[in-house]
Amino acid sequence: EPEVTQTPSHQVTQMGQEVILRCVPISNHLYFYWYRQILGQKVEFLVSFYNNEISEKSEIFDDQFSVERPDGSNFTLKIRSTKLEDSAMYFCASSEDRDYGYTFGSGTRLTVV
Amino acid sequence: DAKTTQPTSMDCAEGRAANLPCNHSTISGNEYVYWYRQIHSQGPQYIIHGLKNNETNEMASLIITEDRKSSTLILPHATLRDTAVYYCESTGNSGYALNFGKGTSLLVTP
Repeated sequence: EPEVTQTPSHQVTQMGQEVILRCVPISNHLYFYWYRQILGQKVEFLVSFYNNEISEKSEIFDDQFSVERPDGSNFTLKIRSTKLEDSAMYFCASSEDRDYGYTFGSGTRLTVV
Repeated sequence: DAKTTQPTSMDCAEGRAANLPCNHSTISGNEYVYWYRQIHSQGPQYIIHGLKNNETNEMASLIITEDRKSSTLILPHATLRDTAVYYCESTGNSGYALNFGKGTSLLVTP
């Protein structure tokens, strides 16, 4: 069964550093998403991406965050100047169409120290 | 404001059917109802979705009331591996992306 692949599985970074989280969506999917989950809290929507541009974003997704699809396979989330409160699991997801179910990756655990 | 409401937790005996309810009285006529689950801290797993008609797949059945104000996810023969948080969601207030609530924590017991 096709999977969404996320790397790395765990990233530790110092406060103030920039991190890039990587995702390989399912190949025939057209919609891409990033979500995050702070330990013990809800899964929160960050951003959706379609046709090489952001289609929706939440209030969380401010100027500190950016997304990119640098080639035909990768979808990245960049977090600039990380803060302690950015520590969370970050999940990438993709879907074939807007109304279809999403396939989620297994996540990247980001720890900011 | 959340568009869906679910009980906080439920128990089910192994081998029995697990029936998870969801109220979504404010969703509009063209908004789908989606069910996902999250086992421990893994990524959410898509289960099923529907608009008006009942749906069934290899994982579960989805029963949607005729007025679309509520639905029930049915796991026909629950196993211990079905212990998870189950989310009933619709699209967001201002767009199409899913916003996850707190879900129902289902505990399947031996």
